[in-house]
Amino acid sequence: EAGVTQFPSHSVIEKGQTVTLRCDPISGHDNLYWYRRVMGKEIKFLLHFVKESKQDESGMPNNRFLAERTGGTYSTLKVQPAELEDSGVYFCASSQEGGTEAFFGQGTRLTVV
Amino acid sequence: GIQVEQSPPDLILQEGANSTLRCNFSDSVNNLQWFHQNPWGQLINLFYIPSGTKQNGRLSATTVATERYSLLYISSSQTTDSGVYFCAVEPFFGNEKLTFGTGTRLTIIP
Repeated sequence: EAGVTQFPSHSVIEKGQTVTLRCDPISGHDNLYWYRRVMGKEIKFLLHFVKESKQDESGMPNNRFLAERTGGTYSTLKVQPAELEDSGVYFCASSQEGGTEAFFGQGTRLTVV
Repeated sequence: GIQVEQSPPDLILQEGANSTLRCNFSDSVNNLQWFHQNPWGQLINLFYIPSGTKQNGRLSATTVATERYSLLYISSSQTTDSGVYFCAVEPFFGNEKLTFGTGTRLTIIP
């Protein structure tokens, strides 16, 4: 069974550009989460989808970040325009209905220069 | 919100040594997971352990939910064990999101 897959694994963009990160959860997992770790700090929650609905987006830092999960399958996280402080590792995770063990993807390392 | 503290923050050991990493949390939890972030940044699931004891090879974990702590044991350390170990919890009356500790950076020296 395939795990959580994220694309790209690494992205380097200039300040002001747009980047879109993609996450494919484990098949059948209704719950999909985005987290990020910036500047060597702790990993922080961004948002939570249940199927295609946003259950909790309290961790989204500002309106430059937009997450979607059309059809309740894969999800995208767009950063527009990117700022230097957005650099870090963005993780996606998924879990079954009822929210048990969360499985994480390999992360996308975003570098804004 | 729930507080998660990990200790020690840094640990340097010789290959072959054993280690114990600790995670304290401030409230009752539904879920507790241990992760290893390897040098390439990947977050690897180690244990899903809201209570009790589990073992997987050289690694084992124990969570004492009533006393609000969890321990991760690594025996006969190898250089590939290097990286940052994170504990993450979901509060008992939480909303299915994990709160991570600040991690323990483990360095295994050959």
